[in-house]
Amino acid sequence: GDSVTQTEGLVTLTKGLPVMLNCTYQTTYSPFLFWYVQHLNEAPKLLLKSSTDNKRTEHQGFYATLHKSSSSFHLQKSSVQLSDSALYFCALRDQGGRALIFGTGTTVSVSP
Amino acid sequence: EAAVTQSPRNKVTVTGGNVTLSCRQTNSHNYMYWYRQDTGHGLRLIHYSYGAGNLQIGDVPDGYKATRTTQEDFFLLLELASPSQTSLYFCASSDGTDYAEQFFGPGTRLTVL
Repeated sequence: GDSVTQTEGLVTLTKGLPVMLNCTYQTTYSPFLFWYVQHLNEAPKLLLKSSTDNKRTEHQGFYATLHKSSSSFHLQKSSVQLSDSALYFCALRDQGGRALIFGTGTTVSVSP
Repeated sequence: EAAVTQSPRNKVTVTGGNVTLSCRQTNSHNYMYWYRQDTGHGLRLIHYSYGAGNLQIGDVPDGYKATRTTQEDFFLLLELASPSQTSLYFCASSDGTDYAEQFFGPGTRLTVL
C-alpha cells in the first residue's frame, strides 16, 4: 500500500548550518507530496507542497524537489535558525485523493 | 485564515469511560478529518468525512466512532475508552481538492487512566 518513510527521528544541529530531512514514498499513482511543520504545543501547518517532477518548491527559506525517479521529496534549508526547531512531517495524498498519509516525523533541534 | 476549533483541550477519563471530542470548522470545507498523534507513529488517520451524514474509515478506526452532524461539526466518540487511546487528537479540514491544504485545530490531549 501507499506509505511515507522518514528515516531520521531526531536531527540536532547548530544555528547557521544547513539541514536536509529525508522523505521517500511508495505509491502506484501520481503523487502529491506535502511537508508540514509542528512547533511545540501547536498544530501542524503546511510548509510546502508539490506534484511536479524535478521542480523545486520553496517557502520560508525551506525548499524541496519532488523526484519521481527516486520517489523522494527531501526538505532542505541552507541556514537553520533557532525558530526552525520543530517537528517536521512529510505526507502523501492517498489513492482516494482526499486524505493524507503522514510519515513518522523528524524532530529538528537547533542550538545557538 | 482557516479556523478549526476543538473541545475540550484536555480530557482525563478512566478505562471504560465514555468520551466525545468535538471539532468545528468555519471554513466552509467539505472534508473533515480526525487524527491521533503518538511519538514514533506520526499522525494517523482515524476517520474522515466529506459532508454531513457521511463517514469514511481511516487507517486506525478500531475503538472509535465518528459522526458529522453538519458541515461545520465533526465528533469523535470513544464509547469504552482504553489506556491505548491515550493520545493527542487533531481535527483538520480541507476543501478536498487534490492539492488541498489541511487546516488543523489546536488538538485535544486525552488521558485514559
